[in-house]
Amino acid sequence: NAGVTQTPKFQVLKTGQSMTLQCAQDMNHEYMSWYRQDPGMGLRLIHYSVGAGITDQGEVPNGYNVSRSTTEDFPLRLLSAAPSQTSVYFCASSHDSWGGHNEQFFGPGTRLTVL
Amino acid sequence: QQQVKQSPQSLIVQKGGISIINCAYENTAFDYFPWYQQFPGKGPALLIAIRPDVSEKKEGRFTISFNKSAKQFSLHIMDSQPGDSATYFCAVNSGGSNYKLTFGKGTLLTVNP
Repeated sequence: NAGVTQTPKFQVLKTGQSMTLQCAQDMNHEYMSWYRQDPGMGLRLIHYSVGAGITDQGEVPNGYNVSRSTTEDFPLRLLSAAPSQTSVYFCASSHDSWGGHNEQFFGPGTRLTVL
Repeated sequence: QQQVKQSPQSLIVQKGGISIINCAYENTAFDYFPWYQQFPGKGPALLIAIRPDVSEKKEGRFTISFNKSAKQFSLHIMDSQPGDSATYFCAVNSGGSNYKLTFGKGTLLTVNP
């Protein structure tokens, strides 16, 4: 299993440009999430999905769109990049095991710089 | 409003010492308390987790202590090793789900040889 994969690893954008961060998992996990990590801020949830066709907003959703057409893929779209979106982005997936310790598996991250 | 407060921000420990990281929360509805470990340039990975029906959970050198009445939980790393140098995050589950986590701001642990 490749686990959770993210592309690209690094990206530089100019203000106003759009792009899509790709995330895929091969563990057949129902849940997928996007987090951003900024120095001193921990990981903050952007959007999440509980299954194909179902998405919802997290703590910091503004400026980002998501969709989930398949179980495997959960892309994150920046419609008009802003310098405030400079961050490291992590995708995570987990299996539904209510009452258990369903581990969130994180991808390697995408480091995004917006100039 | 910060749902989970983590301290200290950074910690320096000598090899063989005990590392202690603390987290405090407000919402008594939280019922899942994981700790994640992150090495530079990598994604976080689950280290150990606890539910509030027990006061302590131990896995090797890592122990979670949970104080339900004080709404606090802590990570203890016994016999700390240089390889434990990493950033540690506590988390709580938001909205009663296990897939929607709110993380603390992290603690950078440095273990000197």
